[in-house]
Amino acid sequence: AQTVTQSQPEMSVQEAETVTLSCTYDTSESNYYLFWYKQPPSRQMILVIRQEAYKQQNATENRFSVNFQKAAKSFSLKISDSQLGDTAMYFCALLQGGATNKLIFGTGTLLAVQP
Amino acid sequence: TAGITQAPTSQILAAGRSMTLRCTQDMRHNAMYWYRQDLGLGLRLIHYSNTAGTTGKGEVPDGYSVSRANTDDFPLTLASAVPSQTSVYFCASSRTGGVSPLHFGNGTRLTVT
Repeated sequence: AQTVTQSQPEMSVQEAETVTLSCTYDTSESNYYLFWYKQPPSRQMILVIRQEAYKQQNATENRFSVNFQKAAKSFSLKISDSQLGDTAMYFCALLQGGATNKLIFGTGTLLAVQP
Repeated sequence: TAGITQAPTSQILAAGRSMTLRCTQDMRHNAMYWYRQDLGLGLRLIHYSNTAGTTGKGEVPDGYSVSRANTDDFPLTLASAVPSQTSVYFCASSRTGGVSPLHFGNGTRLTVT
């Protein structure tokens, strides 16, 4: 069975600093995808970044980047130059490739950016 | 604006009553999903549908039913609500196959008393 583990229920960072959110996963599949979703207080689910397992290069989206360690089954999210608007719940998610697009979520990390 | 519409936004429901949460998408996505979000548990899949006319059970399907009569609509029904079904419910959709990120609705907050 596929599982996703986020071991940091809450984190705090000062504005303009860098923070890393941890995520580990388990899957027996070779073809899969990993995502980070952001959920601000508005409750909206927003895709932050995604990584295809077959790609060795770490994905980057502006201030957001990942450290994908396939052998260790680790997928951490780094937020650089943190902004107040980054305050949100962050969910790591695993998607098994193929026809069934079922996304498995971690339990989330609540990030607070302090002014 | 294209996307997913969920209704109602919030609801208080007496235990034992039935209720249908509505979900409509206008992106012509084949796949649709229902998740529930609970503090400390993340989002858990209730039911899904890969295409109109088909549905499947997710991780926590008990007490819920779905139907997929057409591409756009994917209602979730609670036949006899219980307090443990108090949660925030999210509907999502995606294109099937490949790397297809989910698009989410804004959620329905349901309180069963």
